[in-house]
Amino acid sequence: EVQLVESGGGLVQPGGSLRLSCVASGFTFSSYWMHWVRQAPGKGVVWVSRIKTDGTSTGYADSVKGRFTISRDNAKNTLYLQMNSLRAEDTAVYYCARDFYVSMDVWGKGTTVTVSS
Amino acid sequence: QSALTQPPSASGSPGQSVTISCTGTSNDVGGYNFVSWYQQHPGKAPKLMIYEVNKRPSGVPDRFSGSKSDNTASLTVSGLQAEDEADYYCSSYAGSNNLVFGGGTKLTVL
Repeated sequence: EVQLVESGGGLVQPGGSLRLSCVASGFTFSSYWMHWVRQAPGKGVVWVSRIKTDGTSTGYADSVKGRFTISRDNAKNTLYLQMNSLRAEDTAVYYCARDFYVSMDVWGKGTTVTVSS
Repeated sequence: QSALTQPPSASGSPGQSVTISCTGTSNDVGGYNFVSWYQQHPGKAPKLMIYEVNKRPSGVPDRFSGSKSDNTASLTVSGLQAEDEADYYCSSYAGSNNLVFGGGTKLTVL
Protein backbone atom coordinates (compact mmCIF):
# COMPACT_ATOMS: atom_id res chain seq x y z
CA GLU A 1 0.00 0.00 0.00
CA VAL A 2 1.30 3.42 -0.96
CA GLN A 3 1.58 5.45 2.22
CA LEU A 4 3.06 8.61 3.69
CA VAL A 5 3.30 9.08 7.44
CA GLU A 6 4.28 12.43 8.94
CA SER A 7 5.64 12.99 12.42
CA GLY A 8 7.49 15.58 14.46
CA GLY A 9 4.74 18.10 15.04
CA GLY A 10 4.06 19.64 18.41
CA LEU A 11 3.92 22.80 20.46
CA VAL A 12 6.83 25.20 20.06
CA GLN A 13 7.45 28.76 21.22
CA PRO A 14 7.75 31.64 18.75
CA GLY A 15 11.30 31.78 17.45
CA GLY A 16 11.81 28.08 18.07
CA SER A 17 12.61 25.22 15.70
CA LEU A 18 11.05 21.93 14.75
CA ARG A 19 11.90 19.17 12.26
CA LEU A 20 9.12 17.29 10.56
CA SER A 21 9.61 13.86 9.02
CA CYS A 22 7.60 11.95 6.46
CA VAL A 23 8.24 8.24 5.93
CA ALA A 24 7.20 6.81 2.59
CA SER A 25 6.30 3.20 1.85
CA GLY A 26 4.78 1.17 -0.96
CA PHE A 27 6.53 3.00 -3.79
CA THR A 28 10.04 3.87 -5.00
CA PHE A 29 10.56 7.04 -2.96
CA SER A 30 13.74 8.03 -4.78
CA SER A 31 11.87 8.30 -8.10
CA TYR A 32 9.48 11.03 -7.00
CA TRP A 33 9.63 14.73 -6.31
CA MET A 34 8.01 15.44 -2.95
CA HIS A 35 6.09 18.35 -1.42
CA TRP A 36 5.15 19.87 1.91
CA VAL A 37 1.76 21.56 2.13
CA ARG A 38 0.17 23.17 5.18
CA GLN A 39 -3.28 24.15 6.33
CA ALA A 40 -3.91 26.59 9.16
CA PRO A 41 -6.96 25.92 11.35
CA GLY A 42 -10.11 26.71 9.39
CA LYS A 43 -8.13 27.98 6.40
CA GLY A 44 -7.21 26.73 2.95
CA VAL A 45 -4.26 24.63 1.91
CA VAL A 46 -1.01 26.39 1.12
CA TRP A 47 1.98 24.99 -0.76
CA VAL A 48 5.17 25.20 1.30
CA SER A 49 8.02 23.50 -0.51
CA ARG A 50 9.08 20.80 -2.94
CA ILE A 51 12.25 18.82 -3.61
CA LYS A 52 13.60 16.95 -6.60
CA THR A 53 14.19 13.20 -6.59
CA ASP A 54 17.87 13.50 -5.70
CA GLY A 55 17.58 16.58 -3.50
CA THR A 56 19.50 18.82 -5.89
CA SER A 57 16.63 21.20 -6.60
CA THR A 58 14.22 22.79 -4.14
CA GLY A 59 11.52 25.44 -4.12
CA TYR A 60 9.86 27.40 -1.32
CA ALA A 61 6.88 29.64 -0.77
CA ASP A 62 7.90 33.23 -0.09
CA SER A 63 6.37 33.00 3.39
CA VAL A 64 8.89 30.36 4.51
CA LYS A 65 11.92 31.11 2.35
CA GLY A 66 15.03 31.50 4.47
CA ARG A 67 13.40 29.90 7.52
CA PHE A 68 12.40 26.41 6.32
CA THR A 69 14.61 23.81 4.65
CA ILE A 70 13.34 20.76 2.82
CA SER A 71 15.56 17.71 2.48
CA ARG A 72 15.34 13.98 1.93
CA ASP A 73 17.17 10.75 2.69
CA ASN A 74 16.38 8.29 -0.08
CA ALA A 75 18.14 5.47 1.77
CA LYS A 76 15.65 5.92 4.60
CA ASN A 77 12.64 6.74 2.37
CA THR A 78 12.19 9.88 4.42
CA LEU A 79 11.36 13.49 3.64
CA TYR A 80 12.16 16.26 6.10
CA LEU A 81 11.16 19.85 6.78
CA GLN A 82 13.43 21.80 9.10
CA MET A 83 11.51 24.80 10.42
CA ASN A 84 13.39 27.61 12.13
CA SER A 85 12.37 31.03 13.46
CA LEU A 86 8.81 29.80 13.82
CA ARG A 87 5.98 32.30 14.00
CA ALA A 88 2.40 32.09 15.19
CA GLU A 89 1.27 32.15 11.56
CA ASP A 90 3.15 28.89 10.92
CA THR A 91 0.58 27.09 13.09
CA ALA A 92 -1.00 24.50 10.83
CA VAL A 93 -1.39 20.88 9.91
CA TYR A 94 1.58 19.98 7.73
CA TYR A 95 1.10 17.39 5.01
CA CYS A 96 3.71 15.69 2.91
CA ALA A 97 2.62 14.70 -0.58
CA ARG A 98 4.01 12.83 -3.55
CA ASP A 99 4.43 14.72 -6.81
CA PHE A 100 2.52 13.52 -9.86
CA TYR A 101 2.93 15.64 -13.00
CA VAL A 102 3.30 18.78 -10.86
CA SER A 103 0.28 17.85 -8.78
CA MET A 104 0.05 15.80 -5.59
CA ASP A 105 -1.45 12.34 -5.84
CA VAL A 106 -0.60 10.77 -2.49
CA TRP A 107 -0.97 12.61 0.81
CA GLY A 108 -0.19 11.76 4.38
CA LYS A 109 -2.62 12.34 7.22
CA GLY A 110 -0.64 15.35 8.43
CA THR A 111 1.13 16.41 11.60
CA THR A 112 0.06 19.40 13.68
CA VAL A 113 2.42 22.26 14.48
CA THR A 114 1.36 24.83 17.04
CA VAL A 115 3.48 27.94 17.59
CA SER A 116 2.51 29.64 20.81
CA SER A 117 4.00 30.95 24.02
CA GLN B 1 3.27 34.15 -5.16
CA SER B 2 -0.30 35.37 -4.80
CA ALA B 3 -2.98 32.78 -4.19
CA LEU B 4 -5.20 31.87 -7.11
CA THR B 5 -8.72 33.29 -6.88
CA GLN B 6 -11.66 30.95 -6.32
CA PRO B 7 -15.24 31.78 -5.33
CA PRO B 8 -15.74 31.06 -1.62
CA SER B 9 -18.83 28.98 -2.26
CA ALA B 10 -20.80 27.14 -4.91
CA SER B 11 -23.91 25.02 -4.79
CA GLY B 12 -26.19 22.82 -6.82
CA SER B 13 -28.95 20.28 -6.46
CA PRO B 14 -28.41 16.54 -6.89
CA GLY B 15 -28.08 15.66 -10.54
CA GLN B 16 -27.20 19.20 -11.61
CA SER B 17 -23.85 20.46 -12.81
CA VAL B 18 -21.71 23.07 -11.09
CA THR B 19 -18.56 24.81 -12.27
CA ILE B 20 -15.88 26.27 -10.00
CA SER B 21 -13.47 28.84 -11.41
CA CYS B 22 -9.82 29.43 -10.55
CA THR B 23 -8.26 32.66 -11.77
CA GLY B 24 -4.57 33.35 -11.85
CA THR B 25 -2.18 35.21 -14.10
CA SER B 26 0.01 34.56 -17.11
CA ASN B 27 2.74 33.64 -14.62
CA ASP B 28 0.86 30.63 -13.30
CA VAL B 29 -2.47 29.33 -14.68
CA GLY B 30 -2.06 31.03 -18.04
CA GLY B 31 1.58 30.11 -18.46
CA TYR B 32 1.56 26.38 -17.80
CA ASN B 33 -0.68 23.37 -18.31
CA PHE B 34 0.00 22.24 -14.76
CA VAL B 35 -3.32 23.05 -13.14
CA SER B 36 -4.69 20.53 -10.67
CA TRP B 37 -7.82 20.26 -8.53
CA TYR B 38 -8.28 18.71 -5.10
CA GLN B 39 -11.29 17.65 -3.05
CA GLN B 40 -11.13 17.84 0.73
CA HIS B 41 -13.71 16.49 3.13
CA PRO B 42 -13.67 17.77 6.74
CA GLY B 43 -10.83 16.35 8.77
CA LYS B 44 -9.30 14.57 5.78
CA ALA B 45 -6.31 15.19 3.57
CA PRO B 46 -6.95 16.61 0.11
CA LYS B 47 -7.55 14.18 -2.75
CA LEU B 48 -6.33 14.74 -6.29
CA MET B 49 -9.23 14.98 -8.73
CA ILE B 50 -7.72 16.58 -11.85
CA TYR B 51 -4.12 17.08 -13.00
CA GLU B 52 -2.58 18.77 -16.04
CA VAL B 53 -5.74 20.83 -16.52
CA ASN B 54 -8.08 18.05 -17.63
CA LYS B 55 -6.71 14.62 -16.78
CA ARG B 56 -8.35 12.38 -14.21
CA PRO B 57 -6.33 10.05 -11.99
CA SER B 58 -7.40 6.46 -11.88
CA GLY B 59 -10.52 6.03 -9.77
CA VAL B 60 -11.88 9.55 -10.11
CA PRO B 61 -15.39 9.50 -11.64
CA ASP B 62 -15.78 11.01 -15.09
CA ARG B 63 -18.37 13.36 -13.58
CA PHE B 64 -15.36 15.50 -12.73
CA SER B 65 -13.78 17.44 -15.59
CA GLY B 66 -11.33 20.29 -15.94
CA SER B 67 -10.60 22.97 -18.50
CA LYS B 68 -8.63 26.16 -18.93
CA SER B 69 -8.98 29.36 -20.91
CA ASP B 70 -6.29 32.01 -20.71
CA ASN B 71 -5.65 32.71 -17.02
CA THR B 72 -8.74 30.93 -15.69
CA ALA B 73 -9.13 27.23 -15.01
CA SER B 74 -12.42 25.54 -14.24
CA LEU B 75 -13.61 22.39 -12.53
CA THR B 76 -17.02 21.05 -13.53
CA VAL B 77 -18.86 18.48 -11.46
CA SER B 78 -21.73 16.91 -13.39
CA GLY B 79 -24.53 14.81 -11.96
CA LEU B 80 -23.96 16.19 -8.47
CA GLN B 81 -24.11 13.66 -5.67
CA ALA B 82 -24.32 14.18 -1.93
CA GLU B 83 -20.77 12.90 -1.46
CA ASP B 84 -19.44 15.66 -3.71
CA GLU B 85 -20.10 18.16 -0.92
CA ALA B 86 -16.60 19.22 0.11
CA ASP B 87 -14.00 21.94 -0.22
CA TYR B 88 -12.26 22.18 -3.59
CA TYR B 89 -8.86 23.71 -4.23
CA CYS B 90 -7.09 24.48 -7.47
CA SER B 91 -3.33 24.60 -7.82
CA SER B 92 -0.93 25.70 -10.53
CA TYR B 93 2.75 25.64 -11.24
CA ALA B 94 4.02 29.21 -10.96
CA GLY B 95 7.52 28.91 -12.40
CA SER B 96 10.90 28.87 -10.66
CA ASN B 97 10.09 25.63 -8.84
CA ASN B 98 7.07 27.17 -7.12
CA LEU B 99 3.44 26.14 -6.87
CA VAL B 100 0.41 28.07 -5.69
CA PHE B 101 -3.04 27.04 -4.45
CA GLY B 102 -6.35 28.82 -4.67
CA GLY B 103 -8.20 29.93 -1.55
CA GLY B 104 -10.72 27.11 -1.85
CA THR B 105 -14.40 26.77 -2.70
CA LYS B 106 -16.97 25.16 -0.43
CA LEU B 107 -19.34 23.13 -2.58
CA THR B 108 -22.78 22.54 -1.09
CA VAL B 109 -25.17 19.96 -2.50
CA LEU B 110 -28.62 21.32 -1.79
